[in-house]
Amino acid sequence: GEDVEQSLFLSVREGDSSVINCTYTDSSSTYLYWYKQEPGAGLQLLTYIFSNMDMKQDQRLTVLLNKKDKHLSLRIADTQTGDSAIYFCAEAQYALNFGKGTSLLVTP
Amino acid sequence: DGGITQSPKYLFRKEGQNVTLSCEQNLNHDAMYWYRQDPGQGLRLIYYSQIVNDFQKGDIAEGYSVSREKKESFPLTVTSAQKNPTAFYLCASSIIGDTQYFGPGTRLTVL
Repeated sequence: GEDVEQSLFLSVREGDSSVINCTYTDSSSTYLYWYKQEPGAGLQLLTYIFSNMDMKQDQRLTVLLNKKDKHLSLRIADTQTGDSAIYFCAEAQYALNFGKGTSLLVTP
Repeated sequence: DGGITQSPKYLFRKEGQNVTLSCEQNLNHDAMYWYRQDPGQGLRLIYYSQIVNDFQKGDIAEGYSVSREKKESFPLTVTSAQKNPTAFYLCASSIIGDTQYFGPGTRLTVL
């Protein structure tokens, strides 16, 4: 099947904003998700956006959706060292179709 | 305390052995899923189930088997036919068509 694409690595300084990008495949996906994975742990749901929305904000997290380009982004404001993790975007079909994940490294 | 539990956290298997990974949820979710994660890879779907006594193959079902005898339980057996079973296995559950919630995972290592 087609792949959900994400850049593999991102490094930011503490206090800066992080932007993680994702290109998905299925224009009929009703929900798009962002999950966070810390080392050795399961996936934690961060946020999601319904396909009829352009933007969703939840505290430090902002999700932008461009349906025309099938592009999804996650912005983390005031990034902290505790935000260092792997971030997965996923599109909902009969199950979830995941990207390979973006490793975010936050440096002091 | 509600949620999804997986056991064991770490599992070691000799070549040629079958092993079973446990996944239990008390969220009253109808749907349950098994994913496999390899280093540097996203999650790939092994099997999923939307109702008791029924399940469907995912993208990489070969060498795996599942059962769904109870709503709250969805065990995964990694058989000796699975050529490269060393991986991190994640179970998830959801209301059908809704957000999936994940367990803490089981790391399987073949010795």
